[in-house]
Amino acid sequence: DAGVIQSPRHEVTEMGQEVTLRCKPISGHNSLFWYRQTMMRGLELLIYFNNNVPIDDSGMPEDRFSAKMPNASFSTLKIQPSEPRDSAVYFCASSLAGRSYNEQFFGPGTRLTVL
Amino acid sequence: DQQVKQNSPSLSVQEGRISILNCDYTNSMFDYFLWYKKYPAEGPTFLISISSIKDKNEDGRFTVFLNKSAKHLSLHIVPSQPGDSAVYFCAAKLQNSGGSNYKLTFGKGTLLTVNP
Repeated sequence: DAGVIQSPRHEVTEMGQEVTLRCKPISGHNSLFWYRQTMMRGLELLIYFNNNVPIDDSGMPEDRFSAKMPNASFSTLKIQPSEPRDSAVYFCASSLAGRSYNEQFFGPGTRLTVL
Repeated sequence: DQQVKQNSPSLSVQEGRISILNCDYTNSMFDYFLWYKKYPAEGPTFLISISSIKDKNEDGRFTVFLNKSAKHLSLHIVPSQPGDSAVYFCAAKLQNSGGSNYKLTFGKGTLLTVNP
């Protein structure tokens, strides 16, 4: 039973380059979340989708960040242009909305390094 | 403004003893609390949860206690095992409030090391 799949697992890029992170949620889940983990800020929610529709993007740091979910099985998080302070581990998570509590299933993360 | 706080960045415990991880929150509108465990190079995995209408939930070696008046919860692991060594995140969910129903707010995590 496949969990949340993220690619790439590691990304090293230079400042100013465009970075695209990809996520495939668990089949049947209808909510998808993008998180960023840093030492300073811990695990912070960037954006989440319900039934492919962005519900809350208040955590997206700047206009350089954008996320899309064109269908129920795929989402991207894009950073353009990237900056060194974007270096972090980015997690995608999915869940089945409608339950009384929100158990989110996380992918393995993408470690992004911007030089 | 951190609404969920884990004030201890790390904790070290001997195998077989009790591990107690603490979490404080500021928003009284949180109605559900969860603990996640994270190993290096992996994503967080759900461990245990508790509704705000309860004060205790137990699952095997793991017990979560909730003190609503103090806005405090704790995770007890008894007995602790070396395999429990990981980062533990506390998370909280707001009451159903439209689009925020499914949003979790996480603490910064506590690194637990269980020594053999």
